[in-house]
Amino acid sequence: GAVVSQHPSRVICKSGTSVKIECRSLDFQATTMFWYRQFPKQSLMLMATSNEGSKATYEQGVEKDKFLINHASLTLSTLTVTSAHPEDSSFYICSAVAVRGTGNQPQHFGDGTRLSIL
Amino acid sequence: GQNIDQPTEMTATEGAIVQINCTYQTSGFNGLFWYQQHAGEAPTFLSYNVLDGLEEKGRFSSFLSRSKGYSYLLLKELQMKDSASYLCAVRDSNYQLIWGAGTKLIIKP
Repeated sequence: GAVVSQHPSRVICKSGTSVKIECRSLDFQATTMFWYRQFPKQSLMLMATSNEGSKATYEQGVEKDKFLINHASLTLSTLTVTSAHPEDSSFYICSAVAVRGTGNQPQHFGDGTRLSIL
Repeated sequence: GQNIDQPTEMTATEGAIVQINCTYQTSGFNGLFWYQQHAGEAPTFLSYNVLDGLEEKGRFSSFLSRSKGYSYLLLKELQMKDSASYLCAVRDSNYQLIWGAGTKLIIKP
């Protein structure tokens, strides 16, 4: 159980393109989803926390106008990287927490999206 | 500030036992998680501790001492596929997950 699907797994596109990444919880409802980015050989960096039906909370230094997050339902959150540039190339990973309770629920991760901007 | 410390890299031999330590200083405590992350892949959940003591799950065990701000992940009967990074994460009083930088575990034959 607790499967999170992330799509696409890999994107290669030209500079200036906007890229949309989807994160779905397949067998549970997720009130909260998280978006991370990870550079090679570095740890996860939280970009934003997405709550269903409300605006995302962005971490300091993350541009909300560049990284648009929509959490329209209890099973779907999307991250759109607008006008992507080579410095946005990274591994983007989403995670979700199940609705039931708050204490011991781990974050379940999608498989990640490797974004390469040429 | 909030801080989680774990060794950057460890090396162990196939079939042996290895212990990966994690110390933390956070604003409150609502549980500690261990995740495994293979290179180029997303993390996968391994264990959760919220009370002091040892949680055993197959070849993997995780220990917590809240008074010491300390946890360890114990891996027994190491296999080559256990080569990965192991991430320690603590949920603080705001239920935010604070991540350690990860420990890269190298298994040698």
